[in-house]
Amino acid sequence: SQELEQSPQSLIVQEGKNLTINCTSSKTLYGLYWYKQKYGEGLIFLMMLQKGGEEKSHEKITAKLDEKKQQSSLHITASQPSHAGIYLCGAPNYNTDKLIFGTGTRLQVFP
Amino acid sequence: SQTIHQWPATLVQPVGSPLSLECTVEGTSNPNLYWYRQAAGRGLQLLFYSVGIGQISSEVPQNLSASRPQDRQFILSSKKLLLSDSGFYLCAWRTNTEAFFGQGTRLTVV
Repeated sequence: SQELEQSPQSLIVQEGKNLTINCTSSKTLYGLYWYKQKYGEGLIFLMMLQKGGEEKSHEKITAKLDEKKQQSSLHITASQPSHAGIYLCGAPNYNTDKLIFGTGTRLQVFP
Repeated sequence: SQTIHQWPATLVQPVGSPLSLECTVEGTSNPNLYWYRQAAGRGLQLLFYSVGIGQISSEVPQNLSASRPQDRQFILSSKKLLLSDSGFYLCAWRTNTEAFFGQGTRLTVV
């Protein structure tokens, strides 16, 4: 079955620094979702990537899909405390309609 | 507009008691529906998904079950809760461009 591995699992950065979170799939990606979550709350949709090489931005967050590497990266420029939370990637399975999610990356941003 | 409702928001239940969590969707028909569980600070574990009325696929064998009695209604149940059932439960439905999530139910089994 397909699995999504996120790295790093946890990240602590100083405000203003750039950072990257990776999401790697064990199988071919037919699209990828990125979400942000504050602890104990629902998920906030950031963006969905559907084609290889596609790149999208949401405020200071940019994500890109590399189909050949079966990977997506999420990059935050000039991080702020408001960026803190858990970032989750999710991928639909083309054959089964499953929607699975990664292991999550916990981001902390300190002043 | 497309919305998803999930309730209750929090629940404290004794071990051995039954469970029923409900999720309803508005603004769409024949959606793909999903139940997830999340451990603290971790990713989402897919529990069940459904592509139509009465069609349930189970991902993780456990003492939970799911049902879809109506097109836009998805129910998560248990006959007897275990301590290990505690967690944050999320319902979702998916389009081709986005997956919508409910606000979640925090279940504590005591």
